[in-house]
Amino acid sequence: QKEVEQDPGPLSVPEGAIVSLNCTYSNSAFQYFMWYRQYSRKGPELLMYTYSSGNKEDGRFTAQVDKSSKYISLFIRDSQPSDSATYLCAASPPQGGSEKLVFGKGTKLTVNP
Amino acid sequence: NAGVTQTPKFQVLKTGQSMTLQCAQDMNHNSMYWYRQDPGMGLRLIYYSASEGTTDKGEVPNGYNVSRLNKREFSLRLESAAPSQTSVYFCASSAGTSAYNEQFFGPGTRLTVL
Repeated sequence: QKEVEQDPGPLSVPEGAIVSLNCTYSNSAFQYFMWYRQYSRKGPELLMYTYSSGNKEDGRFTAQVDKSSKYISLFIRDSQPSDSATYLCAASPPQGGSEKLVFGKGTKLTVNP
Repeated sequence: NAGVTQTPKFQVLKTGQSMTLQCAQDMNHNSMYWYRQDPGMGLRLIYYSASEGTTDKGEVPNGYNVSRLNKREFSLRLESAAPSQTSVYFCASSAGTSAYNEQFFGPGTRLTVL
């Protein structure tokens, strides 16, 4: 079992919908949690980053971590066609370094106009 | 600033051929990484270089070698390509190796091994 599990989708929603993307993880040592966005035929880019539990909001995006259930979520409000991409969750323990970053498989999202 | 650049963008090889994937970053980052991305497998770390002059194995290093040529450049070499190495290869860089350091990715190299 991979340390970070993510439903690959695909997920298709109408423009304006609220999107919920989710991951689970198994390593209780994970403290750093990231969401990367990857447009088709491009490299991933960091979208959101959180440390430990709690919520973090950035515009239409909210990242949420529930360490008690080992659950990572990304919510997109008022989704736009430009949000169509693959979203990768990632997690890392505090010890070691960035080479310990573990990625989920990615969820492909399509927002239809 | 170009960020992280990779060459070539596409490559087709025959089994047994060798090739080198090139990566360069202009952000003065200390750390660089090579990943492969396969359908159903996600991103997996092949090798990384914490700083100039050092390289270390990642999760899937077999069949690959790397060279940290200088602070800017980090190359990945396939000595004898196999069909199992068909993948999209991404180079990334970060300021340091702390877990909270953002990794910046290049556009990828799409490699097919026949």
